[in-house]
Amino acid sequence: QKEVEQDPGPLSVPEGAIVSLNCTYSNSAFQYFMWYRQYSRKGPELLMYTYSSGNKEDGRFTAQVDKSSKYISLFIRDSQPSDSATYLCAIPPNSGGSNYKLTFGKGTLLTVNP
Amino acid sequence: DVKVTQSSRYLVKRTGEKVFLECVQDMDHENMFWYRQDPGLGLRLIYFSYDVKMKEKGDIPEGYSVSREKKERFSLILESASTNQTSMYLCASTSGGLAYNEQFFGPGTRLTVL
Repeated sequence: QKEVEQDPGPLSVPEGAIVSLNCTYSNSAFQYFMWYRQYSRKGPELLMYTYSSGNKEDGRFTAQVDKSSKYISLFIRDSQPSDSATYLCAIPPNSGGSNYKLTFGKGTLLTVNP
Repeated sequence: DVKVTQSSRYLVKRTGEKVFLECVQDMDHENMFWYRQDPGLGLRLIYFSYDVKMKEKGDIPEGYSVSREKKERFSLILESASTNQTSMYLCASTSGGLAYNEQFFGPGTRLTVL
């Protein structure tokens, strides 16, 4: 089983829709969970991160972690065409050694149609 | 403003050529990474470096080598380019000082090998 799995989509929604993007992970020791956003022809940029369980909100974006089911989600409210991008979940491994590495999901391509 | 730059946005090379991709960061980060990104496969780590002259193989190092002679500069070398190395190449860096280890990415180099 891969450490991080993400449905690659693509996902196409109308403007104003609520978007749900999801990843599952395998290692229950993981503590930090990150979401990157990558616009077309650009490098990924960190959108938000959360620690352990619970929700974190930033404007229209909410990151949610359910450690009991090893499931992380990113919700986008009132989605806008400018949200069209690839969203990647990323997790830093906890166990020893190279903690500065990140394990990325494959990314979900989101298109928000005006 | 944090910055990672890559030497070329687009590159076209012939099979068998030696190819150099260069990455420079201005954040005094210890750790630097080279990824390739392909549709359906996501980001895959080729090599990373945690200090000057230090390197470790990532998940797909075959056919690649790296060089880090100065802290701010990390080069990816394709000794003899092949068509299956046609891809988007992304460089990233991180200080490693934060528990969640945000990686900062360059804009990417789209390499085509004919």
